[in-house]
Amino acid sequence: DAGVIQSPRHEVTEMGQEVTLRCKPISGHDYLFWYRQTMMRGLELLIYFNNNVPIDDSGMPEDRFSAKMPNASFSTLKIQPSEPRDSAVYFCASSLGSGGSPFQETQYFGPGTRLLVL
Amino acid sequence: GEDVEQSLFLSVREGDSSVINCTYTDSSSTYLYWYKQEPGAGLQLLTYIFSNMDMKQDQRLTVLLNKKDKHLSLRIADTQTGDSAIYFCAESPGGSKIIFGSGTRLSIRP
Repeated sequence: DAGVIQSPRHEVTEMGQEVTLRCKPISGHDYLFWYRQTMMRGLELLIYFNNNVPIDDSGMPEDRFSAKMPNASFSTLKIQPSEPRDSAVYFCASSLGSGGSPFQETQYFGPGTRLLVL
Repeated sequence: GEDVEQSLFLSVREGDSSVINCTYTDSSSTYLYWYKQEPGAGLQLLTYIFSNMDMKQDQRLTVLLNKKDKHLSLRIADTQTGDSAIYFCAESPGGSKIIFGSGTRLSIRP
């Protein structure tokens, strides 16, 4: 298995532009997570899905952020409009889903998308 | 509130043991985790411990949990250059979410 795939690996954009980050989870995994990592705030959970349904989006910073999972093999995280403070590494992760809490089993992380908003 | 704290840096000599410490605040955390992040990569789950355990050993890794003091540690025996990474402690309060520490950067000197 190729693992969790994220694209692009690097993104540089100007303030005000729309940014779309993409993720392909491991086949057969029921859970998908989006995280953001910055020096100031560390690693934060933004949102997670179970079987393509958003379960908890309380970590999404504001309305400029939105996430979708149209099918089991694809998810997007969109920022519109982007701001310099959105600069961070965004990770996608997936887990199998064994019936208990999704945080009580191994999550497999993608390599991340490094976003720089100028 | 919920918080996980770790020291930012640790430097050890190759072959020595590394001990990375973490404190957490939420006593309802049923699972506590250690993740490893290598440069330019995502996080990799190293090990986890249930809150009803005091110790867990997995090859070179030993996790110690002191629930009374809400203190978690990760010991890496015979530290190698490949162990250089950032190590994150995390807790899962009630299993409903996950909270990460700021990470400890482990560097190995010859």
